[in-house]
Amino acid sequence: AQSVAQPEDQVNVAEGNPLTVKCTYSVSGNPYLFWYVQYPNRGLQFLLKYITGDNLVKGSYGFEAEFNKSQTSFHLKKPSALVSDSALYFCAVRDWNYGGSQGNLIFGKGTKLSVKP
Amino acid sequence: NAGVTQTPKFRILKIGQSMTLQCTQDMNHNYMYWYRQDPGMGLKLIYYSVGAGITDKGEVPNGYNVSRSTTEDFPLRLELAAPSQTSVYFCATQRQDVLEQYFGPGTRLTVT
Repeated sequence: AQSVAQPEDQVNVAEGNPLTVKCTYSVSGNPYLFWYVQYPNRGLQFLLKYITGDNLVKGSYGFEAEFNKSQTSFHLKKPSALVSDSALYFCAVRDWNYGGSQGNLIFGKGTKLSVKP
Repeated sequence: NAGVTQTPKFRILKIGQSMTLQCTQDMNHNYMYWYRQDPGMGLKLIYYSVGAGITDKGEVPNGYNVSRSTTEDFPLRLELAAPSQTSVYFCATQRQDVLEQYFGPGTRLTVT
């Protein structure tokens, strides 16, 4: 079965510093990988996805993610963090056990990102 | 264009009561999903629908039921509420072959 792991419950970063939120995956076949962000009392918002092609994927709000097949990782990055980036970040992988031909998402537990001024 | 809307935002139920969580979308997406989010956990799929009139179970369907009579609406029914159903419930939609999902704001349910 497909799965993702987010090894850090929380990441603390100073504003202006680069940030990395880690995600590793386990899949059979080619992975379809996603990052979502959840602000307090809100639903999840799509940030970016990797399906195929360039290993560096650019997404919303200046975020990017690097797909590394040999390390089975898909880490989320941003060169310069903002206080407004503070939120809960979820890594997800497409799974084919449910959801018909479109599959469904298997989510990690989430990583809380805290950016301090 | 409201996207995905969910009502109510909050609800407290007593054990054994029942309720319906509403989900409506105006994006004309065929695919709709119900997830639950427990503290410190990722989202778990409860039920999904690939189009009007078609629903199927997800990973954690016990204690829930759904219906999909129109493209727009995908209500989730809780019968005989239990404390284990205390959670935040999210509805999501997806357009065919686009792969990313769009989430509603969630319903926070407490069963006591």
